Amino acid sequence: ILNVEQSPQSLHVQEGDSTNFTCSFPSSNFYALHWYRWETAKSPEALFVMTLNGDEKKKGRISATLNTKEGYSYLYIKGSQPEDSATYLCAFNGDSTLTFGKGTMLLVSP
Amino acid sequence: NAGVMQNPRHLVRRRGQEARLRCSPMKGHSHVYWYRQLPEEGLKFMVYLQKENIIDESGMPKERFSAEFPKEGPSILRIQQVVRGDSAAYFCASSASLSGRRAKNIQYFGAGTRLSVL
Repeated sequence: ILNVEQSPQSLHVQEGDSTNFTCSFPSSNFYALHWYRWETAKSPEALFVMTLNGDEKKKGRISATLNTKEGYSYLYIKGSQPEDSATYLCAFNGDSTLTFGKGTMLLVSP
Repeated sequence: NAGVMQNPRHLVRRRGQEARLRCSPMKGHSHVYWYRQLPEEGLKFMVYLQKENIIDESGMPKERFSAEFPKEGPSILRIQQVVRGDSAAYFCASSASLSGRRAKNIQYFGAGTRLSVL
């Protein structure tokens, strides 16, 4: 059974704060690591797909890094805004399927 | 709307009835994935299908659950003789052609079907 762990489980920050969350995954049989953003009552929306050790991807104020040797990825949000409030999911791809973590629920207060 | 379409959005069934959940992938996508989210749980993989083929059903319960993705029409997830424990949100995702069997391509999700079993 693959174990994909995300921490923290939830996070409450003030507008303007920068924040980061962690996704840990098996370091063997790694192919890709996906990050999704999931707003309440909407569909999960893909943020990044990362495949190479040391990869760093950026989309606006959100960025992610990948360490496949030790099995972790960080997601950073710079200057959080209320519209960033959502659950952030990571998913490990070692074969033909994705194994999701339970997500980090982020709440950004104005 | 060219996104992944799931219907119905909400489905209520009594114990013992059948539930049929539909998923139309994004235009041009030939790979469909079904996931289930139980209360207080994350998304759990159920089945991966390509047109007319089941590629990986390792996450499907052995009984009462089946899935298909016919040549024409949407993918269907079918649950026979539903029980209360089947109450969950069922999400479908689709992706474009893959390199081999690896799901490197981004999966695009539908909004889900929330099944309630009374």
